[in-house]
Amino acid sequence: SQQGEEDPQALSIQEGENATMNCSYKTSINNLQWYRQNSGRGLVHLILIRSNEREKHSGRLRVTLDTSKKSSSLLITASRAADTASYFCALVTHYKLSFGAGTTVTVRA
Amino acid sequence: EPEVTQTPSHQVTQMGQEVILRCVPISNHLYFYWYRQILGQKVEFLVSFYNNEISEKSEIFDDQFSVERPDGSNFTLKIRSTKLEDSAMYFCASSDAEGSTEAFFGQGTRLTVV
Repeated sequence: SQQGEEDPQALSIQEGENATMNCSYKTSINNLQWYRQNSGRGLVHLILIRSNEREKHSGRLRVTLDTSKKSSSLLITASRAADTASYFCALVTHYKLSFGAGTTVTVRA
Repeated sequence: EPEVTQTPSHQVTQMGQEVILRCVPISNHLYFYWYRQILGQKVEFLVSFYNNEISEKSEIFDDQFSVERPDGSNFTLKIRSTKLEDSAMYFCASSDAEGSTEAFFGQGTRLTVV
């Protein structure tokens, strides 16, 4: 399978807490990307991490990549209500992105 | 900020009818994609398009589907004879390089086949 598998499927946290979600995959990748989708809306690119990178930061987001374990994690620090969304990892292989089923994050005020 | 635009936002069609979903990718992008998302399910790749031809397509993208870039700005997805199971959100995306940079997605067209 060329897609990632996110874990957990759903996550509910209090505002201000951190949210961590994981993505595991089976194939070789050029890079791995994380996207966010608000309910019924389009996908928004969050961060791209290349196969030779181990960690990357963007604002309150931190992504790690362990190619030996074929896994990646996305950490959202100091969560806000506006972070409520579904988060997807996308594997990049040649001409396409392959998405997993996503993690639905609910941030409670 | 440049964005991918899709029209219409919602399309209702009778089973068996043809539909054309339209997309205007970001102007300097070279790679174009269509994805779909059935309600409550994951985003599925349909097709990628580069240099006026299909680069890759999934098994979902059968003979009922076709894509076209009729001019320098539009990118269309045609479903020739719609089925009930074609009901989904269809997302267009574009990127300036083949997978090595981020893809920009449109807001989607919700297709309802009745």
